[in-house]
Amino acid sequence: DIQMTQSPSSLSASVGDRVTITCRASQSISSYLNWYQQKPGKGPKLLIYAASSLESGVPSRFSGSGSGTDFTLTISSLQPEDFASYYCQQSYITPHTFGQGTKLEIK
Amino acid sequence: QVQLQESGPGLVKPSETLSLTCTISGGSISGYYWSWIRQPPGKGLEWIGYMQHSGSTNYNPSLQSRVTVSVDTSKNQFSLKLSSVTAADTAVYYCARYITGVGRSYFDNWGQGALVTVSS
Repeated sequence: DIQMTQSPSSLSASVGDRVTITCRASQSISSYLNWYQQKPGKGPKLLIYAASSLESGVPSRFSGSGSGTDFTLTISSLQPEDFASYYCQQSYITPHTFGQGTKLEIK
Repeated sequence: QVQLQESGPGLVKPSETLSLTCTISGGSISGYYWSWIRQPPGKGLEWIGYMQHSGSTNYNPSLQSRVTVSVDTSKNQFSLKLSSVTAADTAVYYCARYITGVGRSYFDNWGQGALVTVSS
């Protein structure tokens, strides 16, 4: 299985901050990397697919980059509704695997 | 906008079979892959498997011997059966639509999740 490693596991930030979360795959996955946001008691919400494509309806402050094994999710200016958990997921090969998550908390 | 809703028993006894159904509204089950993903309390996400409306399936090898995903196109529903459950199968179970195309594959719509506890 391809292992996905996210860092950091948790992050404290303030409204307006620029935040970057990284995700590393244990082998090359080309651009088959997706990012999801999850709020307590809810199912995950797709933010970014194919490493850098913004899902329809997702604010433009979210962006993704990378290819091969190293990827980043950037939130350019944190809003109160962005405090949540974030997961990366590879879809290059089955079994699909997820990172362990990054919990973004208010400082 | 497609909406998905999981339903089924919240409590299952050890060694029995966990059964969940996902009802799709606002869209058709045809033409897509439909997936199950689970999340143990306080932990990360684990992909269980998916089925295309036409019947082809793909399961996580770690669960393959115990998992069956099926589709009922007449009811616009798909289902999960997980046999011989143990406490390790306690989790929130999500259904999701899986989109696949050239250079991209992702889960674009998710249900709210259903907590299933395995306990006697």
